[in-house]
Amino acid sequence: RKEVEQDPGPFNVPEGATVAFNCTYSNSASQSFFWYRQDCRKEPKLLMSVYSSGNEDGRFTAQLNRASQYISLLIRDSKLSDSATYLCVVYNYGQNFVFGPGTRLSVLP
Amino acid sequence: DAGVIQSPRHEVTEMGQEVTLRCKPISGHNSLFWYRQTMMRGLELLIYFNNNVPIDDSGMPEDRFSAKMPNASFSTLKIQPSEPRDSAVYFCASSRGDRGGNQPQHFGDGTRLSIL
Repeated sequence: RKEVEQDPGPFNVPEGATVAFNCTYSNSASQSFFWYRQDCRKEPKLLMSVYSSGNEDGRFTAQLNRASQYISLLIRDSKLSDSATYLCVVYNYGQNFVFGPGTRLSVLP
Repeated sequence: DAGVIQSPRHEVTEMGQEVTLRCKPISGHNSLFWYRQTMMRGLELLIYFNNNVPIDDSGMPEDRFSAKMPNASFSTLKIQPSEPRDSAVYFCASSRGDRGGNQPQHFGDGTRLSIL
């Protein structure tokens, strides 16, 4: 089993739709969690950190469920510019950052 | 603020040649990471440094790969001799914190490497 798993997609959604991604991790001692987005042929860019109580940044909401060891990302009112690959990242102290394989999103006009 | 700076942006060379990739981390960041990304394998961590010291190089594929960080503002990743299977995008990233800490990483634009 991979340490961080994501549904590879692709998710094809119309503009304005709400879409949710899930990510599961295997190390129960994982400490920090992030969502990155990566556009085609570009570098990964931090989208948001994920806090235990959940957090929101505009149209984006991140949730963490430590008991079930999963992280989610919700995108509301999706825009064409949201089309990208979304990477789930888990940090384990003393080890390192582990990237998931990514979920590809295409927002269609 | 300047981000992570990598050079060159693109490199095309023949197999057997030595390749050197360069990275300047964000000022004040004390952890530096080298990644390789391919379609087949995704993003793979090759090595990371904390306070200029290599902490984990278990991801380095083989002896042909080596990385150095002579000071806090510069790192190199060298491949010698290069092989076609080394073709990939190589990213450098940096972050604050102890052993990477819980601060997010910031990536450079990457070096797109093609070995013919």
